Amino acid sequence: NAGVTQTPKFQVLKTGQSMTLQCAQDMNHEYMSWYRQDPGMGLRLIHYSVGAGITDQGEVPNGYNVSRSTTEDFPLRLLSAAPSQTSVYFCASGFRGQANEQFFGPGTRLTVL
Amino acid sequence: AQSVTQPDIHITVSEGASLELRCNYSYGATPYLFWYVQSPGQGLQLLLKYFSGDTLVQGIKGFEAEFKRSQSSFNLRKPSVHWSDAAEYFCAVGVNEKLTFGTGTRLTIIP
Repeated sequence: NAGVTQTPKFQVLKTGQSMTLQCAQDMNHEYMSWYRQDPGMGLRLIHYSVGAGITDQGEVPNGYNVSRSTTEDFPLRLLSAAPSQTSVYFCASGFRGQANEQFFGPGTRLTVL
Repeated sequence: AQSVTQPDIHITVSEGASLELRCNYSYGATPYLFWYVQSPGQGLQLLLKYFSGDTLVQGIKGFEAEFKRSQSSFNLRKPSVHWSDAAEYFCAVGVNEKLTFGTGTRLTIIP
């Protein structure tokens, strides 16, 4: 198993540009989520999904869109990038249930100029 | 809403010394509790978790954590650290299938 994969590893955008961060998992996990990590702030939940066709907002959803058309994929879209979205983005997946482990991808480092 | 506090931003310990990283949570009931480790440039790896039963839980890499309900704490311990333990450590609570993380503690190991 490849686990949780994320592409790209690094990305530089200009303000106002759009892009999609890709996330895929091959563990048949129902639950997938996106976090952003900023210095001194830990990880904050952006959006999550409990299954194909079902998504919901986390703590910091503004400026981001998600969709879940398949169990395997959970892309994160930035429609109009802003410097405040400069961060490291992590995708995670796991089986449903509060005590279940979430497996994290390696992250995407995004810089918005 | 739940919250997690990790009061120590940075801790330095000597190789072979014992380690304790502090974590306090705020939630109306007993949440699910996790410790994750992040090596530089990497994603997060689960060290251990608590959801019920024995309040002392064992994890990978020789780590353990103790849940103390009266203190709303879930401190991480290791009796003897190795240079490879240098990393950032995150405590998290799980509520309604969502994780809320603390701000992390960076661990430096000196020879």
